[in-house]
Amino acid sequence: GENVEQHPSTLSVQEGDSAVIKCTYSDSASNYFPWYKQELGKGPQLIIDIRSNVGEKKDQRIAVTLNKTAKHFSLHITETQPEDSAVYFCAASNEAGNQFYFGTGTSLTVIP
Amino acid sequence: KAGVTQTPRYLIKTRGQQVTLSCSPISGHRSVSWYQQTPGQGLQFLFEYFSETQRNKGNFPGRFSGRQFSNSRSEMNVSTLELGDSALYLCASSLRAGSGTRRGTDTQYFGPGTRLTVL
Repeated sequence: GENVEQHPSTLSVQEGDSAVIKCTYSDSASNYFPWYKQELGKGPQLIIDIRSNVGEKKDQRIAVTLNKTAKHFSLHITETQPEDSAVYFCAASNEAGNQFYFGTGTSLTVIP
Repeated sequence: KAGVTQTPRYLIKTRGQQVTLSCSPISGHRSVSWYQQTPGQGLQFLFEYFSETQRNKGNFPGRFSGRQFSNSRSEMNVSTLELGDSALYLCASSLRAGSGTRRGTDTQYFGPGTRLTVL
């Protein structure tokens, strides 16, 4: 089955700096890669996603890049703000089923 | 459009008891997946239901079961609770389940979760 690895597990940045979280996957059949943000006491919320026919996608301060050859994808947050502090999860899925494989999460702290 | 709702939000049980959790998907969504989230294991897939049928199943013991109703609402049941079952149980809804002949994968939207504590 699919194996998704996520790094780093914790990340602290100064407000206004950029944050990058990286994930690798093992199954070349994976073709959908969402990113979720989970705040304390809440369920994961989808923040951005990318499909395998696209190399990069951007939504305001958030961007995701995908390298299918190397089987890795990354989340980029620019101009970080304290409210960006949360746990971020990457995931991978393929069209063979609706099962998502999640990374182990990155706890991001933005220091004011 | 209302999001995914889960009830109850918090639950305290003792070992050996059983528990039933409920999930109402986004209106129009027909697929419901359940996950267990713990600090040590992260998000682990339990099972997925689509059109009242279990389509996928993770590696959990038979004490964990679920079902889906005709209105797409889903319940999961855990029998003979163990201390290790303490976790946040999340359900996620999507428009439809994946299939080998369908292109793409539907986005999953999560509910707020049910925090289960087993004493």
